[in-house]
Amino acid sequence: QVQLVQSGAEVKKPGASVKVSCKASGYTFTSYGINWVRQAPGQGLEWMGWISAYNGNTNYAQKLQGRVTMTTDTSTSTAYMETRSLRSDDTAVYYCARLSPGSRDAFDIWGQGTMVTVSS
Amino acid sequence: QSVLTQPPSVSGAPGQRVTISCTGSSSNIGAGYDVHWYQQLPGTAPKLLIYGNTNRPSGVPDRFSGSKSGTSASLAITGLQAEDEANYYCQSYDSSLSASNVFGTGTKVTVL
Repeated sequence: QVQLVQSGAEVKKPGASVKVSCKASGYTFTSYGINWVRQAPGQGLEWMGWISAYNGNTNYAQKLQGRVTMTTDTSTSTAYMETRSLRSDDTAVYYCARLSPGSRDAFDIWGQGTMVTVSS
Repeated sequence: QSVLTQPPSVSGAPGQRVTISCTGSSSNIGAGYDVHWYQQLPGTAPKLLIYGNTNRPSGVPDRFSGSKSGTSASLAITGLQAEDEANYYCQSYDSSLSASNVFGTGTKVTVL
């Protein structure tokens, strides 16, 4: 079945970097884009950015530009999201989600989430 | 700070109808961009509930319906059930300086 499986929880110190992976299966990876969304504890959803799995084009949320990099590895159908210079307010569950042109660009498939904790 | 505003909470008894509003502006919903709705049960990832303003993905009960008018959109749940207790988020695209996808502030639905 179509699914996105993310890497496990991470604990990082302030100033460090974290790289979260999102492995796709059950569909043609290069036919869809991948969005990244995060959710701080007890808070709402925040869109972080998008990457085309077809050509690697990206669009990042303005507040994260310069600290976030999204990449893909088409040989393994995996998307990656790296956040640098981590701060305590980056503590959140990070989700990858497939962008579906067939669903009017809604996010139709979501990963299970990866908890990233930033603490000294 | 989200550019799409939702009521923090709504509640209803089993079997009742509840609606959740999503208020935007001329740079997002009012510009004609589609609105999508997601349901997030406690401790789980969001799930697509409505796409393209009014469409339900396969498997979503027809108790859920969406609408859009002007700079706002709404999600209605008819015949409210205990398993509908969750957080609901609207999402659209915003064409302002920081052109991006945006989520609503979220609404907690409580079944009394």
